[in-house]
Amino acid sequence: SQELEQSPQSLIVQEGKNLTINCTSSKTLYGLYWYKQKYGEGLIFLMMLQKGGEEKSHEKITAKLDEKKQQSSLHITASQPSHAGIYLCGADLPLNAGKSTFGDGTTLTVKP
Amino acid sequence: DTEVTQTPKHLVMGMTNKKSLKCEQHMGHRAMYWYKQKAKKPPELMFVYSYEKLSINESVPSRFSPECPNSSLLNLHLHALQPEDSALYLCASSSYGGAGETQYFGPGTRLLVL
Repeated sequence: SQELEQSPQSLIVQEGKNLTINCTSSKTLYGLYWYKQKYGEGLIFLMMLQKGGEEKSHEKITAKLDEKKQQSSLHITASQPSHAGIYLCGADLPLNAGKSTFGDGTTLTVKP
Repeated sequence: DTEVTQTPKHLVMGMTNKKSLKCEQHMGHRAMYWYKQKAKKPPELMFVYSYEKLSINESVPSRFSPECPNSSLLNLHLHALQPEDSALYLCASSSYGGAGETQYFGPGTRLLVL
């Protein structure tokens, strides 16, 4: 079974709208990462969250990690076409130090 | 400099060919990774090198042979591949290879096996 569940699988929003992507694990995580990927290209690191309750922001993107360190959300405010791409959450799971696993990704389309 | 470079960007090879993928980083990282990513799927870990030693091999077929000649360089030697091995191959690096480390990814090599 998938160890990191991401939702939604895909998302189409109008430019200027806000959106949220979720990532859930059944286990407590060492750290939770958010990456963005354009199709066929490498992963661009966005943010890493390690502490329960932690929240980080970069430009119009905010990521939060819940207190139990099992769920994270990525929120984009006032979306722009440049935000389009595949968003992947990744994490190190207990007993798998250094072996990052990824969610299936969320494909975001932003309509101008 | 937070860049991981990969060459070539694209590679087409026959099932009898031998080729190599190259990955390089100059961030002083001591852990380097190879991932395989099929279309519309997340990256799957293949190998991890930590301090130039292979620390994780995720049961990858022997037709894939990794090599870490020094702390900045990681190669993936390919031999007798199958069409199902066609994928995007991603290299990444991190500080030491421990838990909770940010991995920095290269742009990938898109491999097509005919």
